[in-house]
Amino acid sequence: SAVISQKPSRDICQRGTSLTIQCQVDSQVTMMFWYRQQPGQSLTLIATANQGSEATYESGFVIDKFPISRPNLTFSTLTVSNMSPEDSSIYLCSVWVLGDRETGVTDTQYFGPGTRLTVL
Amino acid sequence: RKEVEQDPGPFNVPEGATVAFNCTYSNSASQSFFWYRQDCRKEPKLLMSVYSSGNEDGRFTAQLNRASQYISLLIRDSKLSDSATYLCVVNMRDSTLTFGKGTMLLVSP
Repeated sequence: SAVISQKPSRDICQRGTSLTIQCQVDSQVTMMFWYRQQPGQSLTLIATANQGSEATYESGFVIDKFPISRPNLTFSTLTVSNMSPEDSSIYLCSVWVLGDRETGVTDTQYFGPGTRLTVL
Repeated sequence: RKEVEQDPGPFNVPEGATVAFNCTYSNSASQSFFWYRQDCRKEPKLLMSVYSSGNEDGRFTAQLNRASQYISLLIRDSKLSDSATYLCVVNMRDSTLTFGKGTMLLVSP
């Protein structure tokens, strides 16, 4: 398993400003992901962040708007830049933990508690 | 067609009832399947993986039908604490997951 923490847990920001969200994992993981969950919607993948390489962004998301850092195997940041009210959402960090075939434990994705962002 | 589709509900059931959710997915090459549970204002948490042969975990039974591209979750003897949104999740490529919008379950006394 993996225990994930995020900072801040919530924030209210003014239009045009930027917010950096931190994600800390209690173990070393190769693959980390950033998701967004807008009100009443499901989770949408923003990007995959692997240590030592640039983040891979999904369609509709760009690096200028959502720059990501992944300095080591336990930490990542997501910045929401030049925010607008449409960016109001919950942002979730997650990690992929490999299972164990011998014990039958499957690969599993764990999520952080999320950062609730409101942009005024 | 959406990649992963679920009935949003809500499903209102009394305690002790049996309730079933279905989910369909569009990509026939999908590799693995999961049900996650999300409580209000909380992060999603893995409920169970879904295996081709079907699998059971206590009161929860998951089934996969690859030919028809649907997944089901059956909850027996519903508890008040089962009230949550249940997310159907499909691994379509690499390790990236695609989430359905979720089915809301409300269990009442």
